[in-house]
Amino acid sequence: KAGVTQTPRYLIKTRGQQVTLSCSPISGHRSVSWYQQTPGQGLQFLFEYFSETQRNKGNFPGRFSGRQFSNSRSEMNVSTLELGDSALYLCASSYWGQTYGYTFGSGTRLTVV
Amino acid sequence: AQSVTQLDSQVPVFEEAPVELRCNYSSSVSVYLFWYVQYPNQGLQLLLKYLSGSTLVKGINGFEAEFNKSQTSFHLRKPSVHISDTAEYFCAVTVHYGGSQGNLIFGKGTKLSVKP
Repeated sequence: KAGVTQTPRYLIKTRGQQVTLSCSPISGHRSVSWYQQTPGQGLQFLFEYFSETQRNKGNFPGRFSGRQFSNSRSEMNVSTLELGDSALYLCASSYWGQTYGYTFGSGTRLTVV
Repeated sequence: AQSVTQLDSQVPVFEEAPVELRCNYSSSVSVYLFWYVQYPNQGLQLLLKYLSGSTLVKGINGFEAEFNKSQTSFHLRKPSVHISDTAEYFCAVTVHYGGSQGNLIFGKGTKLSVKP
């Protein structure tokens, strides 16, 4: 069965712009989580959605937001981009949540210039 | 709050040698523990997980890990590594209490480099 699909794979944006990243989970998975990965901070939790509701949220500014649709697909949005937002953004899906382990997508590499 | 410490940022090892990647966690409540692997330009792949029961957990690709509650450790081991095991390995923890779960918290990662 198809894995977790993230689009686009690579993105270059200018400071001040906004960006939307997309994640299609494995069919049947209802939980989608987003992580930011940087060399300095490592993997940091952004938020988790379950059946269209945000279930958990990490310690990121309000410029970072997300949503989940009825088909479990999820998007995350970053407004007013800063240079420090350059990172690999990973989406992960699971049927229930962390307990059973996540399946990760290959990520979207965002570069802010 | 819980935290995860991976004691070695880089581990070089020769092919066919054994390897141990160390992970310690901190939590005041019960935890679930995981190891993930990340190959270059890819996402993370689940290697193994400890939820309950036997403290020795076997995973994919010949890896295993042992949960030690008294030492709050969850070290990853493989008796004989291959070149293809070269990757970054992440230990992760999530707490669970009263039917609820916390977020998945990752360590900083250990880069395993297998040399011929």
